[in-house]
Amino acid sequence: GQQVMQIPQYQHVQEGEDFTTYCNSSTTLSNIQWYKQRPGGHPVFLIQLVKSGEVKKQKRLTFQFGEAKKNSSLHITATQTTDVGTYFCADNTGTASKLTFGTGTRLQVTL
Amino acid sequence: DGGITQSPKYLFRKEGQNVTLSCEQNLNHDAMYWYRQDPGQGLRLIYYSQIVNDFQKGDIAEGYSVSREKKESFPLTVTSAQKNPTAFYLCASSIRMSGELFFGEGSRLTVL
Repeated sequence: GQQVMQIPQYQHVQEGEDFTTYCNSSTTLSNIQWYKQRPGGHPVFLIQLVKSGEVKKQKRLTFQFGEAKKNSSLHITATQTTDVGTYFCADNTGTASKLTFGTGTRLQVTL
Repeated sequence: DGGITQSPKYLFRKEGQNVTLSCEQNLNHDAMYWYRQDPGQGLRLIYYSQIVNDFQKGDIAEGYSVSREKKESFPLTVTSAQKNPTAFYLCASSIRMSGELFFGEGSRLTVL
């Protein structure tokens, strides 16, 4: 089935530093979604990217979809402690458009 | 308030017992899903349903069963055939299969 690899698995930054997580696929994705899961919580939808080369911003978060639609990234500028959590990408290119989640990147932010 | 309600939040069971986790949504969504999450892992799809009275196996359906008799409800039974049932179970729904997922708060099952 469709496999989406997410890197890094874990990143620890100081507050104010930037952070980026990457989602890579060997096949073309129809679209990609990003979710955030706080420790002990449930995933919350952040955004969906559909078009090749698409860039969307939400305050300090910037989401990109690659030109070939085989990769995506989430970049956080000037991290804050509220950014702590695990960020997942998910694609629904496969059977019946069901979402397949990447393995996630856990972000830890310290003062 | 619209949303997804999962119960119970925590559940302890002895090995060999079947367990049913409840998931109810009042968002009027057609599609509903069950995911399993193990510590430090991603989400793996157990079962999904696109419409009432119909459901499909996901990637790790063995040892689980579901029903979808009402649009609002999608209960998951973890049977004794599931070899490693201790996990965090997440129910979700969406307007359509390719849409944004809304998750419940999860049910943490521990089998002793």
